[in-house]
Amino acid sequence: EAQVTQNPRYLITVTGKKLTVTCSQNMNHEYMSWYRQDPGLGLRQIYYSMNVEVTDKGDVPEGYKVSRKEKRNFPLILESPSPNQTSLYFCASSLFNRLTYNSPLHFGNGTRLTVT
Amino acid sequence: GQQLNQSPQSMFIQEGEDVSMNCTSSSIFNTWLWYKQDPGEGPVLLIALYKAGELTSNGRLTAQFGITRKDSFLNISASIPSDVGIYFCAGQGRAGGTSYGKLTFGQGTILTVHP
Repeated sequence: EAQVTQNPRYLITVTGKKLTVTCSQNMNHEYMSWYRQDPGLGLRQIYYSMNVEVTDKGDVPEGYKVSRKEKRNFPLILESPSPNQTSLYFCASSLFNRLTYNSPLHFGNGTRLTVT
Repeated sequence: GQQLNQSPQSMFIQEGEDVSMNCTSSSIFNTWLWYKQDPGEGPVLLIALYKAGELTSNGRLTAQFGITRKDSFLNISASIPSDVGIYFCAGQGRAGGTSYGKLTFGQGTILTVHP
């Protein structure tokens, strides 16, 4: 089954303790992206990647890191989490590139992160 | 960064009524997208619009890409209980531009349908 898989689904951690949220897709998609969802603010893009080893900042990249060493995986890293990073996080992937600009995003089911 | 203003923030309607929501932007987008999010799940694409002025339908859903490229609306006709959810608009930059991979979402419209 074609899907985007995020882990974990729920995570409670403390300020400053490094964490990684994994994202994997099995559709051979070039494009992957991370979003955070907060009430009243919708989805805001954190980072995106157009292909392996190509990453770019979205609208709210501060406090986050990403890597794209292989096509299927796009982990989100919080080196020193803070309470304002408590949020619902979504990973997404797409066939989207400069030629297939009309390809939709496929979203994972989300990771709810709480930083105390 | 670019901002999208989506309205209304929430709607409470009776089953069978039509629904309309819209998004406006201070910037031009080359693609407008509408997504729906069910509780506990990620958003799912409903309609994609690629040309200014384009009007596209998907079943009971109709969406239009504004002629100025700065706005879009989504209409749902004859609403049913399973239409409940959060609806998001999203805008995407032009091909070849530096912001091509950036996708900007609106704040969302929470739709409640009473049977």
